[in-house]
Amino acid sequence: AQSVTQLDSQVPVFEEAPVELRCNYSSSVSVYLFWYVQYPNQGLQLLLKYLSGSTLVKGINGFEAEFNKSQTSFHLRKPSVHISDTAEYFCAVTRPTGGGNKLTFGTGTQLKVEL
Amino acid sequence: GAVVSQHPSWVICKSGTSVKIECRSLDFQATTMFWYRQFPKQSLMLMATSNEGSKATYEQGVEKDKFLINHASLTLSTLTVTSAHPEDSSFYICSARVPSSYNEQFFGPGTRLTVL
Repeated sequence: AQSVTQLDSQVPVFEEAPVELRCNYSSSVSVYLFWYVQYPNQGLQLLLKYLSGSTLVKGINGFEAEFNKSQTSFHLRKPSVHISDTAEYFCAVTRPTGGGNKLTFGTGTQLKVEL
Repeated sequence: GAVVSQHPSWVICKSGTSVKIECRSLDFQATTMFWYRQFPKQSLMLMATSNEGSKATYEQGVEKDKFLINHASLTLSTLTVTSAHPEDSSFYICSARVPSSYNEQFFGPGTRLTVL
């Protein structure tokens, strides 16, 4: 079984500052990794995903993430945040084969961008 | 892109009644859909996997007789909360798996259920 840890429940940051949201995973097999964003009272929107290949993945809205196999991490970064980035961010993992195609989510990180 | 809709977006009902929530994949066929439950300021908890033409697979601790799932077509899955109680009040989100080489899921906008 796999698991996901998001150590930071809340991350406050000023507008135009850089931000990093941390995600660590645990799995005995190779995995696919995802970052989703959730705005209040809405479903989840995919920001980016890592399947294989280049460890630096670029997503929508200026976000990127780097897969680090040795540290089992997939941290999300943005060089300059905007007020509209205020939302809940979820890291998720799934197995490429087997596992019933299930996603395992972290507990989420609330990003609050302040003026 | 792949779009998933849910209906209704919010519903208020009395205790003891049943509520049906629909999840539709609008521009693709989904043999597999998932139902999640999310409590305030918490993560998504997978309730069940809905498979077209067969019985749903429920996660441990989820009452299958209380949360009835039907996946009658390749674009529609329904979740019926039977004999609803106030503790069933929650945000219910569905997702649909896009048939592809990886297990990406596209999520619906969610349904807010309030049981009085």
